[in-house]
Formats: sequence, structure tokens, C-alpha cells
Amino acid sequence: HVQLQESGPGLVKPSETLSLTCSVSGDSISSYCWSWIRQAPGKGLEWIGHRHCSGRNDYNPSLKGRVTVSIDTSKSLFSLRLSSVTAADTAMYYCASYNIAAAGTVFDYWGQGIPVTVAS
Amino acid sequence: EVVLTQSPGTLSLSPGVSATLSCRTSQTVNSDHLGWYQQKPGQAPRLLIYSTFHRPAGISDRFSGSGSGTDFSLTISRLEPEDFAVYYCQLFGSSPLFSFGPGTKVDIK
Repeated sequence: HVQLQESGPGLVKPSETLSLTCSVSGDSISSYCWSWIRQAPGKGLEWIGHRHCSGRNDYNPSLKGRVTVSIDTSKSLFSLRLSSVTAADTAMYYCASYNIAAAGTVFDYWGQGIPVTVAS
Repeated sequence: EVVLTQSPGTLSLSPGVSATLSCRTSQTVNSDHLGWYQQKPGQAPRLLIYSTFHRPAGISDRFSGSGSGTDFSLTISRLEPEDFAVYYCQLFGSSPLFSFGPGTKVDIK
């Protein structure tokens, strides 16, 4: 089955851009749709954005255009860029996949998560 | 925008009893797009239920989902120590495209 591993800096300065990568192994990255989800300390889950299997990207309107997701199929990488970060972006960041043909529009595989702190 | 509300916020129960968790949506939704997750401290969420009542491979049959329209439930039969966790419902198809409920914590009484 597919395995996901997030990587990136654990500390980002305010106003800078957070960049994370999700490395996919165990199956073809093209077989799934991909999302980034985050969880602030002690809080619930917030969907950030996704790369649909069709190639379309969608984002959470609450992030007001600060988000970009992309995929590199040759390297099996799914990436997140979040610009102009503030302390409110401090969270555990997860990459997750869903398979329309299997369980549908739910996330059946998750990475272990990567903690990101926004501080100077 | 469809708002998901979960109740209760916390459920304190003893091992061996059953738990019923509620997820209500502010509008009628497609039950094909409603799922449930379990999250334990320090771990990523784990998918328990998809399309309202389907269980992925490897999920115990003590977990069952039901509902339609605006009212959905997750029932955990015969609570075991490893079931004490936070449970989230999740919906696809509104704005944002994916949304999660605020969660229900099931803890040991």
C-alpha cells in the first residue's frame, strides 16, 4: 500500500513562505488524488488544498490565495507552498490521499505529519 | 457552506459499553461523501468509515456508521481500551471542498 512521508523546515519566520514536500512510495502517485491537511495544536483538522486526480487544484477559501499545491509525478512528490505565514499557521501538517475508485472522497492514507512553527 | 456539528464534545464511558457519536450537517448532504476518522494522541487520523457506513479493510466490525440527510452517527460497540480517542466526521462537496467536524473525544470514565 502507499506510504507518505512529509518533509520540510520545522521553523518558518513570519511573512515568509512555508514549503513542504510529501514523498510517495509503494504505489504510483498518479493513482490517487492528494491533499494537504493541518491541525493547530490542540485543535481540529483543517483541509488546506488538493490536487485532484484530473489535475485540477482546489484550495480552502479561508487561506485567501496564499496556497499553492503541485505534483511531480517523475519524482513521486506532492508539494505545498503557503505564503505570508503568521503564528496562526503553526500546526502539524499532513499529506493525505484519496482514491475515488476505492473509498471515494475520504482520506485513506496519511503521512505521519510534520510539525511547523511560525516564529521569529 | 455546510457546517458540521459533532456531539457530544466529550463522551466519558467505561470499557465494554457502546458509544454513539453524532455528526449533523447544516444542509442535506450526499451520504456517499460522509466519512469518519479516529485520531489518537501523536498520531495521524485513521479512516474508519466511508460513504456513511462502509468500513475499509482492517477496520473492526465494532465500528459502524449510519445516517442520511443531515444526521449521521458512528457507533462503537463494546468499547476497548484502544478505542479511547478523538473521532472526526468529514464531508466532501461543500465549501471548502473538504470539511471536518470539530471532533468528539471518547475518554475513559
